[in-house]
Amino acid sequence: DAKTTQPPSMDCAEGRAANLPCNHSTISGNEYVYWYRQIHSQGPQYIIHGLKNNETNEMASLIITEDRKSSTLILPHATLRDTAVYYCIVRVASSGNTPLVFGKGTRLSVIA
Amino acid sequence: GAGVSQSPSNKVTEKGKDVELRCDPISGHTALYWYRQSLGQGLEFLIYFQGNSAPDKSGLPSDRFSAERTGGSVSTLTIQRTQQEDSAVYLCASSVQGSYGYTFGSGTRLTVV
Repeated sequence: DAKTTQPPSMDCAEGRAANLPCNHSTISGNEYVYWYRQIHSQGPQYIIHGLKNNETNEMASLIITEDRKSSTLILPHATLRDTAVYYCIVRVASSGNTPLVFGKGTRLSVIA
Repeated sequence: GAGVSQSPSNKVTEKGKDVELRCDPISGHTALYWYRQSLGQGLEFLIYFQGNSAPDKSGLPSDRFSAERTGGSVSTLTIQRTQQEDSAVYLCASSVQGSYGYTFGSGTRLTVV
């Protein structure tokens, strides 16, 4: 699976959009981009995933650049409850159940 | 149940003792994973089970660690002769085969004193 690079930490004001970047310059054509987050003292939680088109669900939006070398997770109206570590993972979807590999992620702090 | 259940939520044990950690996956989820997370660190993969296939044990840090999954459902992670460096949160996750969406439990916080 391709390697990802994320900033170690970010701050965001409550109510504003949080834009979390992820670089995956070595991504291959059959690899998807997945995002998980881990709120303090809880297990990680799946957020969203995508291949090349932008995706949106009730939690977030995922914007993937045309060359697929980077992506941005957008939380449109961040709340204090969104404070967490956000993990960007690149993985071949057809790799069955081979385990997800979590990097260090980005620690997002939402500030009142 | 509605989610992945782990027990106990907290465990304090003396160095050298054996411990067993339990994971109850979501009903119907054929894949089950164990990870651990030391204080301030990322998630470290330990082992995973898929249906009746032989488990992938490639992440187990030593032969003191073992896991089993009975009847394709409940799993037990056993750590023998615990050491202080085993102190961590042990997380279990389950998923439907081929799914991207893991559901994690809340973990067991193990403290070896």
